[in-house]
Parts: sequence; structure tokens; C-alpha cells
Amino acid sequence: EVQLVESGGGLVQPGGSLRLSCAASGFTFSDYSMNWVRQAPGKGLEWVSYITSSSSTIYYAESVKGRFTISRDNAKNSLYLQMNSLRDEDTAMYYCARGYYYDSSDYWGQGTLVTVSS
Amino acid sequence: QSMLTQPPSASGTPGQRVTISCSGGSSNIGTNGVHWYQQLPGTAPKLLMYNYNQRPSGVPDRFSGSKSGTSASLAISGLQSEDEADYYCAAWDDSLNGRLFGGGTKVTVL
Repeated sequence: EVQLVESGGGLVQPGGSLRLSCAASGFTFSDYSMNWVRQAPGKGLEWVSYITSSSSTIYYAESVKGRFTISRDNAKNSLYLQMNSLRDEDTAMYYCARGYYYDSSDYWGQGTLVTVSS
Repeated sequence: QSMLTQPPSASGTPGQRVTISCSGGSSNIGTNGVHWYQQLPGTAPKLLMYNYNQRPSGVPDRFSGSKSGTSASLAISGLQSEDEADYYCAAWDDSLNGRLFGGGTKVTVL
């Protein structure tokens, strides 16, 4: 059974940092691209970042470029999101999602909540 | 363009057909696959349709998708109470090098 389990969320002050993790199981992690997608409370979905299976190609949303860094460790079946210089508007549930055909995402984790507040 | 355009709400009675539209541009829907996600209250999104009309395994054939030019649509036939959810369209944008989501459509079963 495919499982994605996010962790690392919490309360952080503006300007602070957090590192999110996504533990993958039930599939060959190294064969799939991955994404981070976030959802602010009561709002819609916002794509954050994308990484190919070999980490050769990485993309970021303009809203996080220069502040967030996506990475993965295929030996550990894990995806990461390093978030620096956090702002109030980064407050959201953060989901990791597996890449599927045509840039869709077929499996999603349950999410980890990041709250940026003083 | 930072977001695809969806109506904020749609509704129908059980058994009816409901259609949700998604409008974009030449660099996203006009060029790339369109996908639809269903998000039930308090849960993670679920892939409902990929490449505008392909259903993942387990998705009922009551759900269908179409695309024309820079717009796409999701249709729910035989509406059921368990279809009450938020629905999001998405597509990769070649100009932004990123994925765009629509603002979401809340479907209510009356």
C-alpha cells in the first residue's frame, strides 16, 4: 500500500525556519517525481515545489523561490522541504504528493500543519 | 496568470448532472494535461481525473472530463450525497514552469 507521511510542521515565528519531511513506503520511491502542495486555512490548493526522481530538475512557485529548498534522499525513501525566512502567509497545511502521468499527483500524504506567527 | 478559473460553487439534487468549468490559457490547459482533484472535508485531495478524461483505478464512471482549447470541464452524472466536496482543476504551465490550480469549486448536494 502506497503511504506518504509528512512530519516536521509546527509553530514558528516570522523569519524562522522549519524542515518538513515526507516518508514514503509501498512503492519504489526512486522511480517517481514528487511535489509539495500547500493549503492555507479555508483556502484553495497552491503548488509549492517539484523534484524529479533523480533530483536533476527542480521547480519552485514564485512565492517561495529563494526561501524554500526541496530535496530527496532515495536511499531513505524521503522527501524534504527546507523552509527559511518564513512569513505569515506561509501558514498552511503542507502535503507531499507523488508524481503521476502528465504532472498529476496520484497519492497524497495527510499533511503537516505549519503555523507562522509571533 | 497565477491561477486557473473555476466557479466558486455548484449544486444539484441527487441523480442530477453537475458540470464544473476550468478556464486557463495557451501555456497551461492549451498545451498540457488537465487534472481534477476531489477534496472531501478534512481530508487530503484525491486524484479524480488526469489528462482531462482519464480516470484512475477506482474512480466511478459517473465522473467524466473534457477539454476544448484552453478550457476544461468535469461532469458528475447521477449526483450522490458523497460527491459533496471541493473540486480543483490543475495544469502545468510552461511559462511559469510550475503547476497551476484553480480556485476550487464547492459542490453541494441539495
